Amino acid sequence: EIVLTQSPGTLSLSPGERATLSCRASQSVRNRYLAWYQQKPGQAPRLLIYGASNRATGIPDRFSGSGSGTDFTLTISRLEPEDFAVFYCQQYGSSPRTFGQGTKVEIK
Amino acid sequence: QVQLQQWGAGLLKPSGTLSLSCAVYGGSFSGYYWTWIRQPPGKGLEWIGEVNDSGSTNYNPSLKSRVTISVDTSKNQFSLRLSSVTAADTAIYYCARVADESRGYYLPYWGRGTQVTVSS
Repeated sequence: EIVLTQSPGTLSLSPGERATLSCRASQSVRNRYLAWYQQKPGQAPRLLIYGASNRATGIPDRFSGSGSGTDFTLTISRLEPEDFAVFYCQQYGSSPRTFGQGTKVEIK
Repeated sequence: QVQLQQWGAGLLKPSGTLSLSCAVYGGSFSGYYWTWIRQPPGKGLEWIGEVNDSGSTNYNPSLKSRVTISVDTSKNQFSLRLSSVTAADTAIYYCARVADESRGYYLPYWGRGTQVTVSS
């Protein structure tokens, strides 16, 4: 089973600032099969990024993903008020398709 | 537009069996894997397992002995059963659909979630 470790646990930033979230895998993620999701309170998660760097339909270009192997990054170039939420990475290259524990991006 | 509508019992007693279903509207039911994920209160997401339209399954090893995921292609529905539940199974349960086998098993489509509480 691939264990995903996200850091930091909480990121306190102001609107307009840049957010950098990390996701590290315990072993290499096949074919860069790494996705990022955003979850707001009371809502289901929403797909942001798949294949490590591909934005999902309708996702603004301020969200970008990068990385390969065991190290992946989600970057939000300029935080908008609606971006503050919890973010999860997920590897889907092997079963079980595990999630990281989440990073909360909160308003400073 | 793919929509997932889920339902099931929200309150269970310990040692009982959790049973949830998810209906799929829009798009094809065939050719995809259909997934269950859960989220305990205040915690992160846990992948439970998946099934395709042929009934082939993959389960999280941590739950495998208690989980059954099945499909009913005649109704475009899939279901989750989790036996011998305890308070640790209290969570919001989500159904979801993967993108497709060629692009990978990420999850663009999610149901709204069902709160399940296990309490005596």
